[in-house]
Amino acid sequence: DAMVIQNPRYQVTQFGKPVTLSCSQTLNHNVMYWYQQKSSQAPKLLFHYYDKDFNNEADTPDNFQSRRPNTSFCFLDIRSPGLGDAAMYLCATSPLNTYEQYFGPGTRLTVT
Amino acid sequence: DQQVKQNSPSLSVQEGRISILNCDYTNSMFDYFLWYKKYPAEGPTFLISISSIKDKNEDGRFTVFLNKSAKHLSLHIVPSQPGDSAVYFCAARSVDRGSQGNLIFGKGTKLSVKP
Repeated sequence: DAMVIQNPRYQVTQFGKPVTLSCSQTLNHNVMYWYQQKSSQAPKLLFHYYDKDFNNEADTPDNFQSRRPNTSFCFLDIRSPGLGDAAMYLCATSPLNTYEQYFGPGTRLTVT
Repeated sequence: DQQVKQNSPSLSVQEGRISILNCDYTNSMFDYFLWYKKYPAEGPTFLISISSIKDKNEDGRFTVFLNKSAKHLSLHIVPSQPGDSAVYFCAARSVDRGSQGNLIFGKGTKLSVKP
């Protein structure tokens, strides 16, 4: 089945210790997105890749970086996680020129 | 400031009855609206959408209504089933965000359908 996969599903990191979350897709979609969702809040877009073109949201902290080495994979790097970065991180994909996005199951990040 | 608002955090409905989930928006540049459904421990899945040039879109038990003048949309589920119990997110796309368009999500409404 074509899908969006996120690993790990649960990640615990220490305050200030860099962490990387990964997303892969078998849908061959051009666009990949990273969202942050805190408890009882709306998913908030951090950035997206339009093929290899990186698009950062204006209010995404510099602490958050992303890499997309190829069509299938996308990584979210948090350089120095703070307690406020504890959240669910959702990866999504979409084909070009469509608005529907396909989400992975998310990675729940805990910062201790 | 929230551009997409789902003012009811939760809704409880009896099986077989109609569920109505509401969503309000503030940005007149929104031209496409989507509803997503999310089960625990899963990512949101696309349910139904509507373009701003329409006022209704129907897919089986699910119908979305759009009232542009009121900047309001609603999702109707008829008849409701226990398997519909999930969190429902309203999302909107702004025409000024380019051809791909990024989505702005509401906070979600948790629907519980009781047998």
